[in-house]
Amino acid sequence: EVQLLESGGALVQPGGSLRLSCEASGFAFSNQLMSWVRQAPGRGLEWLSGIAPGGESTSYADSVKGRFTNSRDNSKNTLYLQMNSLRVEDTAVYYCVIDLSEWRFDPWGQGTLVTVSS
Amino acid sequence: DIQMTQSPSSLSASVGDRVTIACRASQGIGGYLNWYQQKPGKSPKLLIYAASTLQGGVPSRFSGSGSGTDFTLTISSLQPEDFATYFCQQAYTGTFGPGTKVDTK
Repeated sequence: EVQLLESGGALVQPGGSLRLSCEASGFAFSNQLMSWVRQAPGRGLEWLSGIAPGGESTSYADSVKGRFTNSRDNSKNTLYLQMNSLRVEDTAVYYCVIDLSEWRFDPWGQGTLVTVSS
Repeated sequence: DIQMTQSPSSLSASVGDRVTIACRASQGIGGYLNWYQQKPGKSPKLLIYAASTLQGGVPSRFSGSGSGTDFTLTISSLQPEDFATYFCQQAYTGTFGPGTKVDTK
C-alpha cells in the first residue's frame, strides 16, 4: 500500500524556520516525481514545489520561491521541505503528494499543520 | 497566470440527485483539467484527469467533460459518500479552483 507520512508541523513565530518531512513507502520512491501542496484553513489548495525523481531539478510557486527548499533523500525514501522566513500567511496544512505527471497528484499524505503566529 | 473559477461555491443536494459543478479557466487549457474530491478532515483524492478520464477505482457515476476554458464535473446519482468539496485544477501550471462544497439538502 502506498503511504505518505508527513511530519514536522508546528507553531512557529513569523520570520522563523521549519523543516517538514514526508516518509514514503509502498512504491519506488526514487523513480517518482514528488510535490508539496498546502491548504490554508478553510481555503483552497496551492501547489508549492515539485522535485524530480533524482532531486536534480526543482520548481517553486512564486509565493515561496527563495524562502522554501524542496529536497529528497532517496536512500531514506523521504521528501523534505525547508521553510525559512515564515509569514503568517504560510499558516496551512502541508501535504506531500505523488506527482503522476501533468499535475496529477495522487495519492496525498495526511498532511501536517504549520501555524505561523506570534 | 491561469486563474480558475468554480460555480457554484456550494450546493445542497439529496441522495440520488444529479449534481453538476462548473469550472472555468481564464484562458484556454485544452483538456488539461483535473478534478479532486476532499471529504471533511481528509486529504484530497484525484477523481478525474485530462478532463474526462476517471482515476482508477473512482465510481462510474462520476464523469467529466469540457475543453478549452469550460469544464464540468457531473455526479449522475449522488451517494451518501459523495458529500464533499470538489476542486478543479488546471494541468498547465497546477492552479486549483476555489472549490465547490456539496452538502445535504
